[in-house]
Amino acid sequence: EPEVTQTPSHQVTQMGQEVILRCVPISNHLYFYWYRQILGQKVEFLVSFYNNEISEKSEIFDDQFSVERPDGSNFTLKIRSTKLEDSAMYFCASIWDRGDYGYTFGSGTRLTVV
Amino acid sequence: DAKTTQPNSMESNEEEPVHLPCNHSTISGTDYIHWYRQLPSQGPEYVIHGLTSNVNNRMASLAIAEDRKSSTLILHRATLRDAAVYYCILRDVSSSNTGKLIFGQGTTLQVKP
Repeated sequence: EPEVTQTPSHQVTQMGQEVILRCVPISNHLYFYWYRQILGQKVEFLVSFYNNEISEKSEIFDDQFSVERPDGSNFTLKIRSTKLEDSAMYFCASIWDRGDYGYTFGSGTRLTVV
Repeated sequence: DAKTTQPNSMESNEEEPVHLPCNHSTISGTDYIHWYRQLPSQGPEYVIHGLTSNVNNRMASLAIAEDRKSSTLILHRATLRDAAVYYCILRDVSSSNTGKLIFGQGTTLQVKP
């Protein structure tokens, strides 16, 4: 069964450093998403991406965050200057169409900011 | 976004059926009912979805009330590996919606051997 692949599985970074979280969505999917989950809390929507542009972003997704799909296969989330409160699990998800389909999520990247 | 209400937790015995309820009284005509589950330290996993009719797949069944204001996820024989947080989510497929999922707290299912 096709999978969404996320790397790395765990990233430790110092406060103020830039991090890039990588995702390889399922190859024929067209819609891409990033979510995050702070330990013990709900899964929160960050951003949706379609046709090489952001289609929606949440209040969490401020100027420190950016996404891109540089080569047609990878989908990346960049945090420019990490803060302690960015420590969380980050999940990538994709779907072929927004209609009658279920989403496929990756297994996540655990980001720890120290 | 229309909201759902689920019990915080449920318990089941291994190899018995489990019925996980979800209320969504403000559901609209363009909302699909989706269920996902999240095992410890893993990403959400798609379980099943439906619009109006009951649905079956290899993982579970989804029973949808006639007025669509509630639904029930049915696990026919719970195993220890089914212990997870189960999320009932309404997904609006109208053209104005980007398809994001809004997660609630879900129902934490414990399965006892």
